[in-house]
Amino acid sequence: AQSVSQHNHHVILSEAASLELGCNYSYGGTVNLFWYVQYPGQHLQLLLKYFSGDPLVKGIKGFEAEFIKSKFSFNLRKPSVQWSDTAEYFCALTNFGNEKLTFGTGTRLTIIP
Amino acid sequence: KAGVTQTPRYLIKTRGQQVTLSCSPISGHRSVSWYQQTPGQGLQFLFEYFSETQRNKGNFPGRFSGRQFSNSRSEMNVSTLELGDSALYLCASSLGGGENNSPLHFGNGTRLTVT
Repeated sequence: AQSVSQHNHHVILSEAASLELGCNYSYGGTVNLFWYVQYPGQHLQLLLKYFSGDPLVKGIKGFEAEFIKSKFSFNLRKPSVQWSDTAEYFCALTNFGNEKLTFGTGTRLTIIP
Repeated sequence: KAGVTQTPRYLIKTRGQQVTLSCSPISGHRSVSWYQQTPGQGLQFLFEYFSETQRNKGNFPGRFSGRQFSNSRSEMNVSTLELGDSALYLCASSLGGGENNSPLHFGNGTRLTVT
C-alpha cells in the first residue's frame, strides 16, 4: 500500500525566511507526485506536480520541489516566503495510471509579518 | 472555464437520515473523484468515477455510494448518517486518461454536519 508522510505539522516563519516542507512517500513502483495548497476558506489548488523528467519542478507563486528517488522524498521549497503563503500544504501521490490521490496529513504554514 | 462546482455548500442533517451531494466537473473532464476531509483523518479517498463507471474505491462502508451521469456530473450519497460522517466532502475532476495522469482540480466542498 502507498503512503505519504509529512513530518512538519505546523511551521511558523517570518516573512522573507526560506521554506522547506518535508514529504516522504512509500511505494515501490512509478509514482506521480503533487503538492496542493489550501488557503483559508478556499479550495485545494495545485502548486506543482512531478510526472517524469527533470526532478526539480517549478510551480506557481515561486514554489519548487525536488524529487529524490533514492530518498523517496519530494520536498517543497521557497526561497523567500510572504504573509500570503499562510495556508495548509498537502503532499500527495498517485501511482501510474491511477487517479486515486493518497494525501499526507498536511503541514500548516503560518507566516508572521 | 468554470471550475468544479459542488452543491450545496453547507448541509445540516440528523443521525439516521440520508444525504445526497452533487458535483459538476470542469467541462471536458471525464473523471470525478470524491474525498472526505476531517481534522483527525485528513483527506481520504472515497471513490472515483470515469465514464459512468466506478473505477476506484476507498475503504469506506457501503453507506457511502456514488454515481456518475452521462454528462460526467456526479452525485454522492450517504445513508444512515452517523455523527462521524461530519466532514468536508470534496469533489475533484480530471481528464482521467490514465496513461499520463492529469492533475485533479478540486471544488470548494460541501460541509456536512450531522447532529
